[in-house]
Amino acid sequence: GESVGLHLPTLSVQEGDNSIINCAYSNSASDYFIWYKQESGKGPQFIIDIRSNMDKRQGQRVTVLLNKTVKHLSLQIAATQPGDSAVYFCAENIGGSYIPTFGRGTSLIVHP
Amino acid sequence: KAGVTQTPRYLIKTRGQQVTLSCSPISGHRSVSWYQQTPGQGLQFLFEYFSETQRNKGNFPGRFSGRQFSNSRSEMNVSTLELGDSALYLCASSLESGVNTGELFFGEGSRLTVL
Repeated sequence: GESVGLHLPTLSVQEGDNSIINCAYSNSASDYFIWYKQESGKGPQFIIDIRSNMDKRQGQRVTVLLNKTVKHLSLQIAATQPGDSAVYFCAENIGGSYIPTFGRGTSLIVHP
Repeated sequence: KAGVTQTPRYLIKTRGQQVTLSCSPISGHRSVSWYQQTPGQGLQFLFEYFSETQRNKGNFPGRFSGRQFSNSRSEMNVSTLELGDSALYLCASSLESGVNTGELFFGEGSRLTVL
């Protein structure tokens, strides 16, 4: 079946740089997308979400971009900090579905 | 406000045994979902309960089962354990059903090792 995927399994950046984590989805019926952050030894934590009627949404130091034409989602983290080191998951909800489908995850490593 | 609590945090079992994991959702949350997380497969959905009813089920064998109590607490059970069942089992609760309503609140998980 269709699933959410990620382009890069590991991303290494320097502290202070901007990070971009990418996610591809293949189900055109998906209309709601979420980014989660999972730190070592913890459960995933909600970061930001976006609905399919939007192209961009900003939070605190994070921005999610949605390109429905190419079915692509990205998470931008500004001024990346060591505390941002974690695995980041994108997840998609298909309209009417109660259950999000999670991508495989990207490990972000921030070097001080 | 207390978060999602999962017990036990760590456990070791042998093949053929069974295990029960517990999840206490955030107060007021009626939907509880369970996920299996492994390095190879990522986060795989097991099942979701809402108001004591299993509303959604993932593609796992019948050895995996769950239930939800009237206070929204949930348990999952895995019978006849196999080596491949070694994983982090995550519970997540949400205020509504989880559909398009925003975030799932995850617990820290129960790390199961099957020897």
